[in-house]
Amino acid sequence: SQQGEEDPQALSIQEGENATMNCSYKTSINNLQWYRQNSGRGLVHLILIRSNEREKHSGRLRVTLDTSKKSSSLLITASRAADTASYFCATDAKGSARQLTFGSGTQLTVLP
Amino acid sequence: ETGVTQSPTHLIKTRGQQVTLRCSSQSGHNTVSWYQQALGQGPQFIFQYYREEENGRGNFPPRFSGLQFPNYSSELNVNALELDDSALYLCASSFEGHGYTFGSGTRLTVV
Repeated sequence: SQQGEEDPQALSIQEGENATMNCSYKTSINNLQWYRQNSGRGLVHLILIRSNEREKHSGRLRVTLDTSKKSSSLLITASRAADTASYFCATDAKGSARQLTFGSGTQLTVLP
Repeated sequence: ETGVTQSPTHLIKTRGQQVTLRCSSQSGHNTVSWYQQALGQGPQFIFQYYREEENGRGNFPPRFSGLQFPNYSSELNVNALELDDSALYLCASSFEGHGYTFGSGTRLTVV
């Protein structure tokens, strides 16, 4: 079963705009990770945020984590057409032997 | 090029048949996990191997089985294929469960 749920399911924006995706989860976690997937290909790891962290940056990516609300957000600033992909959050739950539980994903389309 | 190689990239099988999917992990990666991703869904955890022993399993029936070998390669075997087994199968490897690297997947179609 999916632990996380991403919101929105689909997002369409113009190049240069910011894109924000949200993720909710259900259990206590060690960390939360965001992945990107192009057209049914493999997953590319974007960023990991630990349960004791509240915000993390990597290039044009900004991730926040609110463990009290069991939610996270991914912000992509100054989006590019090449950012068009599906984005998934994945949780590494406590006691899970490091297995990842993925959400259902947000399909981001960046229009040139 | 991620360092994790899966084969074959595409496969078509008939319902009831058996299939073996293969994954070659990065050298030194002693942990490998397999995921099933149905169209339009997020990946679902099948099982995980650590140092050649299964140490975690998701909600999949016993006809899904696996092996991990000392040379950091692994296999996913599925018996008695069903139409709902059609999916992208992803392999991910890591050292001690930290920082998974995913392969590009095998697209299995069951007809």
